[in-house]
This record gives sequence, C-alpha cells and structure tokens, in this order.
Amino acid sequence: DAKTTQPPSMDCAEGRAANLPCNHSTISGNEYVYWYRQIHSQGPQYIIHGLKNNETNEMASLIITEDRKSSTLILPHATLRDTAVYYCIVVRGADGLTFGKGTHLIIQP
Amino acid sequence: DTAVSQTPKYLVTQMGNDKSIKCEQNLGHDTMYWYKQDSKKFLKIMFSYNNKELIINETVPNRFSPKSPDKAHLNLHINSLELGDSAVYFCASSRFSGTFRAHEQFFGPGTRLTVL
Repeated sequence: DAKTTQPPSMDCAEGRAANLPCNHSTISGNEYVYWYRQIHSQGPQYIIHGLKNNETNEMASLIITEDRKSSTLILPHATLRDTAVYYCIVVRGADGLTFGKGTHLIIQP
Repeated sequence: DTAVSQTPKYLVTQMGNDKSIKCEQNLGHDTMYWYKQDSKKFLKIMFSYNNKELIINETVPNRFSPKSPDKAHLNLHINSLELGDSAVYFCASSRFSGTFRAHEQFFGPGTRLTVL
C-alpha cells in the first residue's frame, strides 16, 4: 500500500471550511484514497473515499488531483465536534487499513 | 442500536492471565477485524475474518487468537498476557473484503486493556 504524508496538526475557525491535505505520491492505479477520523477515545469513523473522481457526501468532500498524487479533504462548515485526528489512507480495497499518524485538527471557537 | 459493540469496555488484569474480548456486529457484514492502538496512538491491524477464514495476520504473536462462532461475532483471546499488551483494542466490520472493492469499515468503541 502507498504511504501517505499529512501535516501533524491544523487549526480552523468554527464555521469555516477545513481543508486537510494528504500526499500519496506513490499511489498506484488500483488504490483508493480513504479518509477516517478518530475523535478522542472513540473508534475511528469512516468519512469518505475515492479512486479518481472528486467525491462528496453529507460529511465532507474529497478532491483528488488529476495525477492522483495528492488529495484534500474538505469539511465545509467545521464545528467544535469536528475536532479529531484525521487519517488519510491509501489501499487496494480495504483489507486491514494501515493508519499513519494523521492530522490533529483543532476547531477553534 | 449499536452497529459494532465490544465487551468489556475496560479490562484490568495481571501479567500471565488469559483474557477474552468480545465483539458483535449487527450490520450483516461478511468481514470483521481486530486492531490494536498502542500508547503512542498508532492503530495497527491484527486480524480479519471473512466467512470464518483468517485472511490477515500482521505478525501478531500466537498468544493472540481470534475466534468466530458465527458471522456476527469475532472474539479475541489473549493467553499469557504481557505488559506490552496494554493498549486499546478495536473491533471493526465491513461488508466484504478483497482487493479492488472499495468499502468502509465500521469500528466499535474499543476495549482498554491494562496489564499490571
């Protein structure tokens, strides 16, 4: 599975859009990009995934560059409850997800 | 209704003991997993089970053994517990496994194991 690189931490003001970047320059053609988050002391929560096209669901949007070497998770209107560690994971299918260090997103009131 | 549940939530035990953690999912999923999150917060896959078949084992000591009585349950048995086994253990399930098939995993609330 391709390795991912994320900033260790980010701040965002409540009500603003939070944009979380992820680099995955070694991604191969059949690997998906997944995003999960872990709110303190809870189990990880699935957010969104994509292969080539941009994706949007009720939680977030996922923007994947044309060369697929990087992506951005967008939380359109961040709330205090969005404070969590966000993980970008690249994998073929989803057998045994490999979590990195993620980005600790802190939403400021 | 809780989709993926684990019991117990907390488990404190002595070194050398044998313990089990139970996991149940009511989502009708085919595949279940166990993950370990250590004190440094790294989350690592331990096992996955698909139709009672072990399909992943990431260099986990054989003191750890998953047991699946049916498709909705995947219990984790740990023999001869060691200090280094202290961690939070998460169970998860997904609709199906296999490469080239995107799907999401649903995680349980975790079991915090402390070995004294």
